[in-house]
Amino acid sequence: QVQLVQSGAEVKKPGASVKVSCKASGYTFTVYYVHWVRQAPGQGLEWMGRINPNGGGTHYAQNFQGRVTMTTDTSISTALMELSSLRSDDTAVYYCAREGGGGSFPRLETWGQGTLVTVSS
Amino acid sequence: DIQMTQSPSSLSASVGDRVTITCRASQSINSYLNWYQQKPGKAPNLLIYAASSLQSGVPSRFSGSGSGTDFTLTISNLQPEDFASYYCQQSYSTPRTFGQGTKVEIK
Repeated sequence: QVQLVQSGAEVKKPGASVKVSCKASGYTFTVYYVHWVRQAPGQGLEWMGRINPNGGGTHYAQNFQGRVTMTTDTSISTALMELSSLRSDDTAVYYCAREGGGGSFPRLETWGQGTLVTVSS
Repeated sequence: DIQMTQSPSSLSASVGDRVTITCRASQSINSYLNWYQQKPGKAPNLLIYAASSLQSGVPSRFSGSGSGTDFTLTISNLQPEDFASYYCQQSYSTPRTFGQGTKVEIK
């Protein structure tokens, strides 16, 4: 079955960087875009960006431009999201999600379990 | 960027009730509208895509309607497992913005 498994919780100091991984299984990794979405404690969902594993093309939300880098390692079917210059308000659960729809009416069909990133001095 | 506005932000309902949540886009998004359910401590789960198409495995008491700028999610015959938060998301353009969410609580 299609599955996305994310790396474990992280605790970082302000100004540091964090890298979250998302390992895909059960499908051909290069066929489907991977999106990243975060959720601060008690808050709603915030779209961060997406990556096309076939070629590595990315699109980032303006809020994260210059601080986020999304990459993939196709040899191990894994997507990676690195966020730099961390602040306390980056404390959130970070999700990866696979886009379905084949280019028609895109939707986030499969989600990882989430990775809690805590930024604290 | 397209802004998505949901209402209400929260509601109280009883088992068996019919519940309606609305989502408005700041510009036309045709039918590029998805609905997700999220339970506490869990990842979101896709319910509806293309405004009215039911995702495989989702109970038929969930339905979606609308096009252009105004959309609704309806839950008929609310069940105990439906108490959760619900989010709309537009997939018409990037950034793929979400509504702020609607929390459905037990009355």
